[in-house]
Amino acid sequence: NAGVMQNPRHLVRRRGQEARLRCSPMKGHSHVYWYRQLPEEGLKFMVYLQKENIIDESGMPKERFSAEFPKEGPSILRIQQVVRGDSAAYFCATKRAGESGYTFGSGTRLTVV
Amino acid sequence: GESVGLHLPTLSVQEGDNSIINCAYSNSASDYFIWYKQESGKGPQFIIDIRSNMDKRQGQRVTVLLNKTVKHLSLQIAATQPGDSAVYFCAEKEGNEKLTFGTGTRLTIIP
Repeated sequence: NAGVMQNPRHLVRRRGQEARLRCSPMKGHSHVYWYRQLPEEGLKFMVYLQKENIIDESGMPKERFSAEFPKEGPSILRIQQVVRGDSAAYFCATKRAGESGYTFGSGTRLTVV
Repeated sequence: GESVGLHLPTLSVQEGDNSIINCAYSNSASDYFIWYKQESGKGPQFIIDIRSNMDKRQGQRVTVLLNKTVKHLSLQIAATQPGDSAVYFCAEKEGNEKLTFGTGTRLTIIP
């Protein structure tokens, strides 16, 4: 079991481009959480998904950001028309239904130039 | 809004000494708390957790204390080692299982 896989590890985008971040959960994990972390700050919750459903998106900006967790394949966090303020580390955490253990990926570091 | 915060943003400890990292939380409904360690360029790594029906839990060299009366959480690391240098976050679980993180404490172990 390779753990929670996030890719790419580093992503550079010009302002106005789209960024797609991927998170592949551990085997058997059906809950996915996305967090954003600015330098020298804590992780801020963005969105919580289960297979094919968005459960809580209270931390997601209303525009340009979207997330999905399809029946097959990884969870995707999509940022359209990126701006410099989107530069951050984006982490996903996954867990099994009914259990407490969250496992984090190594994150994707997005830099908008 | 409710938040989880830390008293000390930085902490330097001599190698071999014990360290204590503190955390204040404000959501009295939180029923589960976790301490994470984050090294530079890496994701948060689970250290230890505690449920609200407990006040103390011990692991290997680490102890978490929970005081629900004053909404305070602490992480004690015994006999610190250079590899303990990292940023430490407390997190609380609320409602639909999302975690709320504090701002973090940077622990530096002095050789």
